[in-house]
Amino acid sequence: DIQMTQSPSSLSASIGDRVTITCRASQSISNYLNWYQQKPGKAPKLLIYAASILQTGVPSRFSGSGSGTDFTLTISSLQSEDFATYYCQQGYSTPYTFGQGAKLEIK
Amino acid sequence: QVQLQESGPGLVKPSETLSLTCTVSGGSISYYYWTWIRQPPGRGLEWIGFIYSSGSTNYNPSLKSRVTISVDTSKNQFSLKLSSVTAADTAVYYCARAPSDVNYYMDVWGKGTTVTVSS
Repeated sequence: DIQMTQSPSSLSASIGDRVTITCRASQSISNYLNWYQQKPGKAPKLLIYAASILQTGVPSRFSGSGSGTDFTLTISSLQSEDFATYYCQQGYSTPYTFGQGAKLEIK
Repeated sequence: QVQLQESGPGLVKPSETLSLTCTVSGGSISYYYWTWIRQPPGRGLEWIGFIYSSGSTNYNPSLKSRVTISVDTSKNQFSLKLSSVTAADTAVYYCARAPSDVNYYMDVWGKGTTVTVSS
């Protein structure tokens, strides 16, 4: 199985901050990397697929980059609604696996 | 707009079979990969498996011996059966849609249903 490791696992930030979350795969997964946002009690929501393609309707302050084994999710200017847990997921090979999550909290 | 809705018992006894159904509304079940994912309380996400609309399946090896996913295209539904459950199977179970198996990602999710395994 491909292991996905996110860092940090938790972080605190303020409204307007720029935030970056990283995701590392245990082997190369090309650009088959996807990002989800999950709020408490809710289903995950797709933000970015294929490492850098913004899902329809997702604000442009979200961006993704990377290929191979190292990927990043960046939020350019945090808004109140962005405080949530973020998961990366590899779509390269089964079993498809997720990172452990990065919980973004208000400072 | 496609919507997914999970349904099934919220409480299952140990050693019994967990059965859930996902109803797809607002769109066709054809030409997509229909997925089950679960999330134990306070923990991360685990991919259980998928079924393509044609009926081909792929399961997580960690659960493969206990999982069956099926599809009923006439009802626009797909289902999950997980046998011999234990407390470790207690989780929120989500159904989701994946547009492709080239970079497999889930673009539409159900709201999730909580299943507790307890006597």
